[in-house]
Amino acid sequence: AQSVAQPEDQVNVAEGNPLTVKCTYSVSGNPYLFWYVQYPNRGLQFLLKYITGDNLVKGSYGFEAEFNKSQTSFHLKKPSALVSDSALYFCAVRSNKAAGNKLTFGGGTRVLVKP
Amino acid sequence: DAGITQSPRYKITETGRQVTLMCHQTWSHSYMFWYRQDLGHGLRLIYYSAAADITDKGEVPDGYVVSRSKTENFPLTLESATRSQTSVYFCASRDNSPLHFGNGTRLTVT
Repeated sequence: AQSVAQPEDQVNVAEGNPLTVKCTYSVSGNPYLFWYVQYPNRGLQFLLKYITGDNLVKGSYGFEAEFNKSQTSFHLKKPSALVSDSALYFCAVRSNKAAGNKLTFGGGTRVLVKP
Repeated sequence: DAGITQSPRYKITETGRQVTLMCHQTWSHSYMFWYRQDLGHGLRLIYYSAAADITDKGEVPDGYVVSRSKTENFPLTLESATRSQTSVYFCASRDNSPLHFGNGTRLTVT
């Protein structure tokens, strides 16, 4: 079975400071990893993905994530956070062998960026 | 407009009633999914469909029924609603791409 852990329910950061949202995963086979963001009363929006290749993946809105196979982690980062980055962030994984291409989500991390 | 549309956005129903949540996508994506979002549980997969007339159970299928007679539609039915089914429901679709989500249906069962 595949699983995702986001160990922090909430991350608080001052505007302009670096932002990191942690994610670890467990999957059989090779992982396909994703980050999504959710704003209030909206569906999830895709930020970035890792399928293969460079371990550092760049995505939308200045976000990036680093795939670390040995630590089974895929942490989301942004060098300089904005107040508008305040939202709920979800990490997700599926295996290249997953039947039906099912995606498993973590519990989410709420990010609060203070001015 | 292209996209994925869920209706209604909000629904209040009583225990024991049948309710259907609608999902319509305009991309002709093969795969469609229903998730529910609850505090402390993140998103959990209810049912998914790989193509028209092909559906399969996800993580939490009990109490739900789906159908996929047309590629673009994937309705979710609660046959006899229970309070534990109070949640926000998201429909999503994809082909060889990340998931695209609708804006959700907030369902309250009283």
